[in-house]
Amino acid sequence: GEDVEQSLFLSVREGDSSVINCTYTDSSSTYLYWYKQEPGAGLQLLTYIFSNMDMKQDQRLTVLLNKKDKHLSLRIADTQTGDSAIYFCADHTGGGNKLTFGTGTQLKVEL
Amino acid sequence: GAGVSQSPSNKVTEKGKDVELRCDPISGHTALYWYRQRLGQGLEFLIYFQGNSAPDKSGLPSDRFSAERTGESVSTLTIQRTQQEDSAVYLCASSLGDNAGGLDTQYFGPGTRLTVL
Repeated sequence: GEDVEQSLFLSVREGDSSVINCTYTDSSSTYLYWYKQEPGAGLQLLTYIFSNMDMKQDQRLTVLLNKKDKHLSLRIADTQTGDSAIYFCADHTGGGNKLTFGTGTQLKVEL
Repeated sequence: GAGVSQSPSNKVTEKGKDVELRCDPISGHTALYWYRQRLGQGLEFLIYFQGNSAPDKSGLPSDRFSAERTGESVSTLTIQRTQQEDSAVYLCASSLGDNAGGLDTQYFGPGTRLTVL
């Protein structure tokens, strides 16, 4: 079945850029998503990218997709303490409506 | 309401008891999903409803787990004879489903934290 992997932990200083990486295995992926989960809260959709795109920018967020390597990344510019959370990438393949989630990357922003 | 709501927010139960978790999707969303999130892990798909079609139950871990949905509204996830390994956060999501016409973004509720003692 589909497998989505992420590194578990990332620590950055406030004001620096954060890059969260994700790899997936299903070559028929249509949309890929980034969700944010703050402590005690549900998942909040941050952004998504369609599989025929290489890059998508939305304010401080930049999503890069390398379809050949099945690699997705989320760059957060000028990282703030409020960005501290767990970030999940998720893969939506065309054959169904289920999302396959990665294990999540915990981002810690230090002053 | 504006978003997906779930109740209760927290549930503590004793091993062997049955529990019911409730999800109210966004109005107009025909698709509804249940996921489980164990401590420190990603989300594990449980079950998916789309309109009046038969639900996709492929993620349910055992026959102790079941879910129902009334039309295109409320859903309940029932866990019978709970075990300690059932302790997790149960997340519900809804989406436009077949009406989406392409991108079908899932919107999540805040979850129910289940603790089985």
